[in-house]
Amino acid sequence: ETGVTQSPTHLIKTRGQQVTLRCSSQSGHNTVSWYQQALGQGPQFIFQYYREEENGRGNFPPRFSGLQFPNYSSELNVNALELDDSALYLCASSSSGGHFLREQFFGPGTRLTVL
Amino acid sequence: GQNIDQPTEMTATEGAIVQINCTYQTSGFNGLFWYQQHAGEAPTFLSYNVLDGLEEKGRFSSFLSRSKGYSYLLLKELQMKDSASYLCAPYSGAGSYQLTFGKGTKLSVIP
Repeated sequence: ETGVTQSPTHLIKTRGQQVTLRCSSQSGHNTVSWYQQALGQGPQFIFQYYREEENGRGNFPPRFSGLQFPNYSSELNVNALELDDSALYLCASSSSGGHFLREQFFGPGTRLTVL
Repeated sequence: GQNIDQPTEMTATEGAIVQINCTYQTSGFNGLFWYQQHAGEAPTFLSYNVLDGLEEKGRFSSFLSRSKGYSYLLLKELQMKDSASYLCAPYSGAGSYQLTFGKGTKLSVIP
């Protein structure tokens, strides 16, 4: 069984640029959540995708957008990058159902640095 | 928001017992997760409490008091590898399966 994978591992961008981060969910999981984790902070929920539809969004501006594909992999896009966007971006996959969150597994994350 | 409160840092000795506390707002509460996160790595699931009381899982136990908005994670027989951040995450279950994490408690285990 393949776990959650994310790419790239590290990324350096400059202010104003756009970035796309990718996540492959664990086999059998149809839900992907994205989190932003700044240094020394807990992960902050960005949004969740369930069966290719956005299923909840945290307090992030519209320049944070996402997609989920038919194979349940997902992308996080961030436009007009700001210095404060520098963080570890985590995706977590899970399956729907009564024990949904017990089965939420995090990927290793993408470390984004905005200069 | 959940106003989650955990100590920022704790230090304990190898072999000892440590208790990491977490308080949160009780409105819209469904259950509470604890995750462990080693530096530079992804969070990993430790426990999920829905009912009041203590749940034990090996060296780790988690306690919940729903009425008091209080939980703790108890780590016994501390090992050096337990040095990590421990994240408390109340869950509202409000349809979107959103987890709201606290800032985490950085635990350092010393010899």
